[in-house]
Amino acid sequence: AQSVTQLGSHVSVSEGALVLLRCNYSSSVPPYLFWYVQYPNQGLQLLLKYTSAATLVKGINGFEAEFKKSETSFHLTKPSAHMSDAAEYFCAVRVSGGYNKLIFGAGTRLAVHP
Amino acid sequence: EAQVTQNPRYLITVTGKKLTVTCSQNMNHEYMSWYRQDPGLGLRQIYYSMNVEVTDKGDVPEGYKVSRKEKRNFPLILESPSPNQTSLYFCASSLSAGLGNTIYFGEGSWLTVV
Repeated sequence: AQSVTQLGSHVSVSEGALVLLRCNYSSSVPPYLFWYVQYPNQGLQLLLKYTSAATLVKGINGFEAEFKKSETSFHLTKPSAHMSDAAEYFCAVRVSGGYNKLIFGAGTRLAVHP
Repeated sequence: EAQVTQNPRYLITVTGKKLTVTCSQNMNHEYMSWYRQDPGLGLRQIYYSMNVEVTDKGDVPEGYKVSRKEKRNFPLILESPSPNQTSLYFCASSLSAGLGNTIYFGEGSWLTVV
């Protein structure tokens, strides 16, 4: 069965520091991978997605993620954190079979302090 | 503007009182679904719909009903709400169930059952 694991339910960084949010997936077939962000009291917004093209995917707001098949990982990074990046981030996988639903990780809450 | 619109955004209700959360999208999407978000569990799919009059259960369908009589609308019905249905609910849509299609989310509906 497909699954997504996000390491660290809470991550705290200083403004200007590197942001690294970890995501590992389990899938027996090629996955499509997504990162969503949820700002307080808002819905989920797509940051970026991997759909089997380039392994390094660039998204909005300076975020990017690299698909590493050998490590079954899709970690999200941003070189320099901004206060406005404070939010909850969800990694999700979508695979063929069944009804092609999104399977979400438990989420990582990012705090950015001055 | 492309949107998924949910109503109500916030609701407190009592056990057993039927309620409906409406969802509408203006993107002519075929695929729509409902998720619930609970702390530490991420988002889990309740029901989905591949098109008009085509619906099926997701991972946590107990206590919920849906209907899809029009392409743009996909209401979620709680016939007899219970406290364990207190959660944040999201409606979502995508062009189709294609794996690479982006899934768009509404802003969420906070439901409290007392």
